[in-house]
Amino acid sequence: QKEVEQDPGPLSVPEGAIVSLNCTYSNSAFQYFMWYRQYSRKGPELLMYTYSSGNKEDGRFTAQVDKSSKYISLFIRDSQPSDSATYLCAMSSDSGAGSYQLTFGKGTKLSVIP
Amino acid sequence: GAVVSQHPSRVICKSGTSVKIECRSLDFQATTMFWYRQFPKKSLMLMATSNEGSKATYEQGVEKDKFLINHASLTLSTLTVTSAHPEDSSFYICSARGVQGYGYTFGSGTRLTVV
Repeated sequence: QKEVEQDPGPLSVPEGAIVSLNCTYSNSAFQYFMWYRQYSRKGPELLMYTYSSGNKEDGRFTAQVDKSSKYISLFIRDSQPSDSATYLCAMSSDSGAGSYQLTFGKGTKLSVIP
Repeated sequence: GAVVSQHPSRVICKSGTSVKIECRSLDFQATTMFWYRQFPKKSLMLMATSNEGSKATYEQGVEKDKFLINHASLTLSTLTVTSAHPEDSSFYICSARGVQGYGYTFGSGTRLTVV
């Protein structure tokens, strides 16, 4: 079993739809969870960062972490064509003082159709 | 916000030559740099981790003599692909982590094509 599983899609939705992106993981030591957005031929940019379980909202984006189920989600409300990109989940067991690497999902390619 | 500048964005080289990729943290000190490789439809694969002034730690299966990493200052890390071959063609991305806060800032990536 891979450490982080993410459905690669592609996922195609109409403009204005609510998008749900998910990742599951197997390492119970993960406690920092991130979502990155990557446009074609560009480096990933951090969208959301959460620690442990719970929800975090930032504008149209909501990140959820359920550590008991080892499941994280990213919701995008009122999706826009500019949201079309690949979304990568990433997680780490870093305590914040060390330099542990991130473990990434494969990424889900999202297309928002006008 | 934190910015990492990565150059070049695209490079084509002949088989057998070496290519150097630079990553600079523009407005923060990057105590740790990570170098990733990304294949199409695959997740980012960590190649190595480097701390300023120390030798890089390579992941299993990554040839340290082929992928030379230098992190001589808190704002600059370089990855040199030596004696490049077509199978080294890929998208290489650096990521930097600063002293304060929890942040991994990525460079914009380098598309390497070896012909």
